[in-house]
Amino acid sequence: GDSVTQMEGPVTLSEEAFLTINCTYTATGYPSLFWYVQYPGEGLQLLLKATKADDKGSNKGFEATYRKETTSFHLEKGSVQVSDSAVYFCALSNSGYALNFGKGTSLLVTP
Amino acid sequence: GAVVSQHPSWVICKSGTSVKIECRSLDFQATTMFWYRQFPKQSLMLMATSNEGSKATYEQGVEKDKFLINHASLTLSTLTVTSAHPEDSSFYICSARGGGNTDTQYFGPGTRLTVL
Repeated sequence: GDSVTQMEGPVTLSEEAFLTINCTYTATGYPSLFWYVQYPGEGLQLLLKATKADDKGSNKGFEATYRKETTSFHLEKGSVQVSDSAVYFCALSNSGYALNFGKGTSLLVTP
Repeated sequence: GAVVSQHPSWVICKSGTSVKIECRSLDFQATTMFWYRQFPKQSLMLMATSNEGSKATYEQGVEKDKFLINHASLTLSTLTVTSAHPEDSSFYICSARGGGNTDTQYFGPGTRLTVL
């Protein structure tokens, strides 16, 4: 079945550091890929998405490119801020069905 | 746009009682709603999928008689935890899909259930 694997956390970075959170997937067909973010005490928010190969999703300085050849959707940000501290979830949706989530990566950004 | 609300945001109940959680799409019609459960520091686990006007589809291992889901309108779905026990304590999150975008789900803020 479909599955998502993302790097284990927690990830601790200093402010203005470069961020990469790896995400790979296994799926039949052509899934849509998502990154969701969950800030402390809040629900999940859609951060960005990509629906086909080579698409790049971007939002709030975060980017991720749908790489079908490597079945990956790594999340990157050039300069993180303290306010980016949260849990990040990679997810896929196949044929519009429910989301299949990775286990989440906790990010802590220190001043 | 695309706001989903949940009520209540947290609830404490005694063992053996039932608790109802509401999920509403505030500014779009949700043809499909999903219910997830999230354990501390873990990912979301899909419990069931509900389509407006039809019976919910439950994931394997989820007791449909314990977790009653109703999706009576295009903007409201409810999850009722019946005869709750301490092991049902968890964070319950709903999401909604609709509004012309079939891929993206919009999540509610979640409901923290504590069963004493």
